[in-house]
Amino acid sequence: EPEVTQTPSHQVTQMGQEVILRCVPISNHLYFYWYRQILGQKVEFLVSFYNNEISEKSEIFDDQFSVERPDGSNFTLKIRSTKLEDSAMYFCASSTDRSTGELFFGEGSRLTVL
Amino acid sequence: RKEVEQDPGPFNVPEGATVAFNCTYSNSASQSFFWYRQDCRKEPKLLMSVYSSGNEDGRFTAQLNRASQYISLLIRDSKLSDSATYLCVLQGGGNKLTFGTGTQLKVEL
Repeated sequence: EPEVTQTPSHQVTQMGQEVILRCVPISNHLYFYWYRQILGQKVEFLVSFYNNEISEKSEIFDDQFSVERPDGSNFTLKIRSTKLEDSAMYFCASSTDRSTGELFFGEGSRLTVL
Repeated sequence: RKEVEQDPGPFNVPEGATVAFNCTYSNSASQSFFWYRQDCRKEPKLLMSVYSSGNEDGRFTAQLNRASQYISLLIRDSKLSDSATYLCVLQGGGNKLTFGTGTQLKVEL
């Protein structure tokens, strides 16, 4: 069964450092997303991406965040200068079309900022 | 009022029991509704979509009441493997999903 894969599974970083989280969406999917979940809290939308550009982003997704699809397979989330409050599980997801509510999530990358 | 409200639980039920979860939402413009399931420290997975007419998938039945802005999920004949957190999820006009905090279910022997 095709799946979304994410690396790393866990990253520990110092406050102020740059972090890049990587995702390989399902190959025939066209829409890509990042969500995050702070421990004990709800899953929150960060950004959606289609046709090599951001289609929607939340208030959380400020200038410290960026996304990129550098090649035909990878989809990355960069946090430029991490803060303590960026500690969370970051989920990448993909879907076949815009209107579907069926997103396929990766297993997540746990980011710990010290 | 929160965008999506759910009773966090936990709901502790014996195997074979029927259990129901409710969810209310504040944005009347929400267009699509879903139940996702999330196991501990795992990713969310779609359980089922929710339609106005109500829909069933095996032991699971979902209902939507747009007038009351209320969604429900009924699980019949609970199994140990049903133990998880059930997330009420909305989709507006774009492709962003809004998640509730989830209701935790524990099915016991």
